[in-house]
Amino acid sequence: EAQVTQNPRYLITVTGKKLTVTCSQNMNHEYMSWYRQDPGLGLRQIYYSMNVEVTDKGDVPEGYKVSRKEKRNFPLILESPSPNQTSLYFCASSWGLAQYFGPGTRLTVL
Amino acid sequence: GNSVTQMEGPVTLSEEAFLTINCTYTATGYPSLFWYVQYPGEGLQLLLKATKADDKGSNKGFEATYRKETTSFHLEKGSVQVSDSAVYFCALDPGNNRKLIWGLGTSLAVNP
Repeated sequence: EAQVTQNPRYLITVTGKKLTVTCSQNMNHEYMSWYRQDPGLGLRQIYYSMNVEVTDKGDVPEGYKVSRKEKRNFPLILESPSPNQTSLYFCASSWGLAQYFGPGTRLTVL
Repeated sequence: GNSVTQMEGPVTLSEEAFLTINCTYTATGYPSLFWYVQYPGEGLQLLLKATKADDKGSNKGFEATYRKETTSFHLEKGSVQVSDSAVYFCALDPGNNRKLIWGLGTSLAVNP
């Protein structure tokens, strides 16, 4: 089944404790992206990747890192999380015009 | 610049009512337009799309027509069901980098 998977689905952590949210797709898509979704702000892009080893900043990249060492995986790294990074995060991959989204990761930073 | 504006919610309807969710856009060039749906607790799914003026996208009883003259892409459904309760996002692809421009989303609640 074609899908985008994210782990973990839920995470509660404390300020400053490094964490990684994994994202994997099995559709051989070149383009992958991370979004955060906040009430009243809609979806905002954090980072995107056009292909392996090619990443670029989206609209709200501060406080986040990404890597794209292989086509299927696109992890999101928070080196020192802060409470303002409490949000719902979505990974997406794309081929052509349609984007395919993961189920989301709800992150709470205390 | 490019932008998408969609009507604010929440929208509350009774089952079998007619639905319209307005979406207007500003863009240079010839963008593609999309509606995505987010069911409770899930990620977004592509609902329908249109790639050029006067195209009509349709899926699951929903329709939207790409109107260049009014820069609109309104979502419609003739008879909504409780299972249509979700958040609907209008989005625009200006044609570069596959970076979508998103509306803020419209929450729809359908009561039996």
